[in-house]
Amino acid sequence: GAGVSQSPSNKVTEKGKDVELRCDPISGHTALYWYRQSLGQGLEFLIYFQGNSAPDKSGLPSDRFSAERTGGSVSTLTIQRTQQEDSAVYLCASSRDRGAYGYTFGSGTRLTVV
Amino acid sequence: LAKTTQPISMDSYEGQEVNITCSHNNIATNDYITWYQQFPSQGPRFIIQGYKTKVTNEVASLFIPADRKSSTLSLPRVSLSDTAVYYCLVAPGYSSASKIIFGSGTRLSIRP
Repeated sequence: GAGVSQSPSNKVTEKGKDVELRCDPISGHTALYWYRQSLGQGLEFLIYFQGNSAPDKSGLPSDRFSAERTGGSVSTLTIQRTQQEDSAVYLCASSRDRGAYGYTFGSGTRLTVV
Repeated sequence: LAKTTQPISMDSYEGQEVNITCSHNNIATNDYITWYQQFPSQGPRFIIQGYKTKVTNEVASLFIPADRKSSTLSLPRVSLSDTAVYYCLVAPGYSSASKIIFGSGTRLSIRP
């Protein structure tokens, strides 16, 4: 597609439920990133996929968070047993193998845990 | 990964030139400097990237001194629509894409 697509755009869930957030990167982009942004805060790195390499999971805040990328394209971020502190905007970005220049972000998924 | 330091917030008025400076004292030889702009409810958007000296595009200019330990994003004749958060990033460019760490950014407010 023309841009990075994320779905849903908004998600309200009850505390303790599991949620799945989806990211469709730009076609041909080998790198995919997930970030989290709390209200009024900067971007917090979560996880990074590069081609067929093992993902860099160093930013995942707890074992309730996991992500996968199927076929080197679509990625799903899963949060199990959601907590109120998980409420944030989850941003996905993709890039070509060119470093920061080719970083294109989606509009994000706003997650609210009630 | 080089750490960056930039002002938390800045205010200016329409029609003025705004300069936002970012410090990156431990920048590496193969690092590029990239600036992103983020509006509310949107993901960050690429503005400009440079390695040294000066880069200019239709949106902004980027000034990088010889030691590359800092950089200045210059926005000419700002308007209300330039109100946004601006992030300075330092990371390897034109090589294998790598994990990029964003700082807290500079919140720019433009007044009439």
